[in-house]
Amino acid sequence: DGGITQSPKYLFRKEGQNVTLSCEQNLNHDAMYWYRQDPGQGLRLIYYSQIVNDFQKGDIAEGYSVSREKKESFPLTVTSAQKNPTAFYLCASSRGGSSYNEQFFGPGTRLTVL
Amino acid sequence: SQQGEEDPQALSIQEGENATMNCSYKTSINNLQWYRQNSGRGLVHLILIRSNEREKHSGRLRVTLDTSKKSSSLLITASRAADTASYFCATDIQGAQKLVFGQGTRLTINP
Repeated sequence: DGGITQSPKYLFRKEGQNVTLSCEQNLNHDAMYWYRQDPGQGLRLIYYSQIVNDFQKGDIAEGYSVSREKKESFPLTVTSAQKNPTAFYLCASSRGGSSYNEQFFGPGTRLTVL
Repeated sequence: SQQGEEDPQALSIQEGENATMNCSYKTSINNLQWYRQNSGRGLVHLILIRSNEREKHSGRLRVTLDTSKKSSSLLITASRAADTASYFCATDIQGAQKLVFGQGTRLTINP
């Protein structure tokens, strides 16, 4: 099946720890995105990547880091610098850099800080 | 405030009725997209309407776009219980290379 996968589905973090959320796609898409969603809210863009080995900050990049070493993979690290990391994290991909293309979303990772 | 603002925030109707959701935005766009999200899940793309289009249909969905008023509406006809979800508009702002999502409308269809 073609699609976009995220793991884990649920993640618990102690304060002061870094955690990495996985995002993989087999759609051969060039562009990938990370969003954060808080309860009852819309999506806010954290980071995005239009092509391998390149990425740009979104609207709320502070306390997060990413890498794009492979076309299929776009992992997100939530660092200890992120003061309020408890949220639902969504990864998406699209065919090209132009946002004329629809975005395909993964099932999400729910991160809770203990 | 966000680029896309949706109205109403929540909507509850009886099965079989039509549901209308509205989205307003502030700056010029290339296109506007509507997505659906079931509780605790990822988003699913429903429909894309380009800035030079005024209306688009897909099954029971009808989307309109009025660029002079910077607004769009999503109409779901003959609603079903399975349409219960949150619906988001997303705007592709000119020159931005990214989508900006609204806060969403929570739609509940009562059987």
